[in-house]
Amino acid sequence: QQQVKQSPQSLIVQKGGISIINCAYENTAFDYFPWYQQFPGKGPALLIAIRPDVSEKKEGRFTISFNKSAKQFSLHIMDSQPGDSATYFCAASTETSGSRLTFGEGTQLTVNP
Amino acid sequence: KAGVTQTPRYLIKTRGQQVTLSCSPISGHRSVSWYQQTPGQGLQFLFEYFSETQRNKGNFPGRFSGRQFSNSRSEMNVSTLELGDSALYLCASSWRGGLTDTQYFGPGTRLTVL
Repeated sequence: QQQVKQSPQSLIVQKGGISIINCAYENTAFDYFPWYQQFPGKGPALLIAIRPDVSEKKEGRFTISFNKSAKQFSLHIMDSQPGDSATYFCAASTETSGSRLTFGEGTQLTVNP
Repeated sequence: KAGVTQTPRYLIKTRGQQVTLSCSPISGHRSVSWYQQTPGQGLQFLFEYFSETQRNKGNFPGRFSGRQFSNSRSEMNVSTLELGDSALYLCASSWRGGLTDTQYFGPGTRLTVL
């Protein structure tokens, strides 16, 4: 019940295309849903996050879509660039667990020039 | 502002040994969390410390322990190392460890157990 399922495991898109990564969860107590980006040799870095009281959040080329009834959320990267090539992780946490993040399995994104 | 620093960056140990990893959080941050990252299990939460107290603990055996000092620096210790403990150990700091507090990750310590 604590898991967060992420797909796809890997994704290849062309420069300028749209990258879409999906996550699903079971625990309805999850109350915060961040996305992290990790480059090789680096720790994950927060990209964008959403609370379940909104259905969409956009920051630049990055958008989170959230479907509370389906218990799913997704990351959309518009106009994907080669510099976006990285591993992306969705995560979730509850009010009571605070900083304890439950991560998805990760998606290796490759953007071809 | 300096980021989260972790030392050492790389470690090679043998089975049965113990190891101590160190994490210096961003100045002013009082919450430090530790995660284990492996190709098979992904990112898994180990524990969180806030004001020198363990506030949260993941599902790891008692061989994994940690502590936090008064300056918020944290250490984690793994005793009686097993081959399966080979992983990237990540430390993350945040202001209070609150739900929406941004967690800033360090570059990690790569532990190899032979």
